[in-house]
Amino acid sequence: RKEVEQDPGPFNVPEGATVAFNCTYSNSASQSFFWYRQDCRKEPKLLMSVYSSGNEDGRFTAQLNRASQYISLLIRDSKLSDSATYLCVVNRKGAGSYQLTFGKGTKLSVIP
Amino acid sequence: EAGVTQSPTHLIKTRGQQATLRCSPISGHTSVYWYQQALGLGLQFLLWYDEGEERNRGNFPPRFSGRQFPNYSSELNVNALELEDSALYLCASSLAGGQGGEQYFGPGTRLTVT
Repeated sequence: RKEVEQDPGPFNVPEGATVAFNCTYSNSASQSFFWYRQDCRKEPKLLMSVYSSGNEDGRFTAQLNRASQYISLLIRDSKLSDSATYLCVVNRKGAGSYQLTFGKGTKLSVIP
Repeated sequence: EAGVTQSPTHLIKTRGQQATLRCSPISGHTSVYWYQQALGLGLQFLLWYDEGEERNRGNFPPRFSGRQFPNYSSELNVNALELEDSALYLCASSLAGGQGGEQYFGPGTRLTVT
């Protein structure tokens, strides 16, 4: 089983739609969680951290279920500018150091 | 505030040569990370440097190496280049030395091996 798994998509949604991305991770020692966004041929940019209690930033809501080892990202009222690949990222401690592991990403296309 | 910078933007080498990639972290960040993103693949962790020391290494052969300088900038060296080394190489920096800290990425160096 891959360490971080995401549905690769693509998700093609109309403007204004609500879209949800899911991510599962295999290592129960994982300690912190993030969603990054990567535009085509650009570097990843941090979108938001994911906290156990769930957190919201404007149109974006992230949730974590440690028992199921599952992370989600909900985007409400999709904009054309939301079109990008969304990367689920997990930080775990192993052999005395921390390491970020990236999922392969879910591609979102918001259509006019 | 300046973000993470990387140079060069593009690099073309032939098989068997060596490549050197450079990264300057955000001011105040002491940790630098290197990743490889090959076409169609996710980001693969290469190396982590913190306070001048190599702290962790991904599953890559020893011909991938690097160092971190006293000013926290870093260099990635790839020896004996192979065609499959062609990829986008991303550098990231963070404050927290990997302990749950978010990472901020530079624009990357696109390495092409012919």
